[in-house]
Amino acid sequence: GAVVSQHPSWVICKSGTSVKIECRSLDFQATTMFWYRQFPKQSLMLMATSNEGSKATYEQGVEKDKFLINHASLTLSTLTVTSAHPEDSSFYICSARDALVDQPQHFGDGTRLSIL
Amino acid sequence: GENVEQHPSTLSVQEGDSAVIKCTYSDSASNYFPWYKQELGKGPQLIIDIRSNVGEKKDQRIAVTLNKTAKHFSLHITETQPEDSAVYFCAASKGYQLTFGKGTKLSVIP
Repeated sequence: GAVVSQHPSWVICKSGTSVKIECRSLDFQATTMFWYRQFPKQSLMLMATSNEGSKATYEQGVEKDKFLINHASLTLSTLTVTSAHPEDSSFYICSARDALVDQPQHFGDGTRLSIL
Repeated sequence: GENVEQHPSTLSVQEGDSAVIKCTYSDSASNYFPWYKQELGKGPQLIIDIRSNVGEKKDQRIAVTLNKTAKHFSLHITETQPEDSAVYFCAASKGYQLTFGKGTKLSVIP
């Protein structure tokens, strides 16, 4: 149980394009979803937290107009990197939890984003 | 805010030996401490967790101990196997947001 699916697993695109990453909870209701960014050989850095049906809360230093988060249903959250540039290249990971049952965070397998 | 320190950053052990990874946290209000294993190119996988009302928890070859007074917790892996090789992250939380340590790269040498 507690499976989180993230798609795509790898994306390469040109500078200036927008990229959408999907995060789905397959067998539980994700009342809260989290988006992290991870640089090579480093820890996970929380970018934002979203509750279903509410606007996301962004961490300090994360541009909300750059990283658009939508959490419109209990099983799906999306992260859109708008007008992506090479410095946005990174490993993006989502996690989800069902706060109603005090569930731990379960992570997806990440998306490797490469901007050329 | 919470600060989590994790040591060592790298750890090499012979297959069959034990491995211990230690973390300290700063916020005495933190009450939940999970451990995650991350393999190359994958997301973190929860392997064990402990709450502040428990001092020790064990699951087969994996155990976690918590010392609330000293604000530190440790991961113990016994009878290590090559497939235990990965990066391990500790984390601390007092609500639902996790603060992660910097990770420990564990290498199990056959």
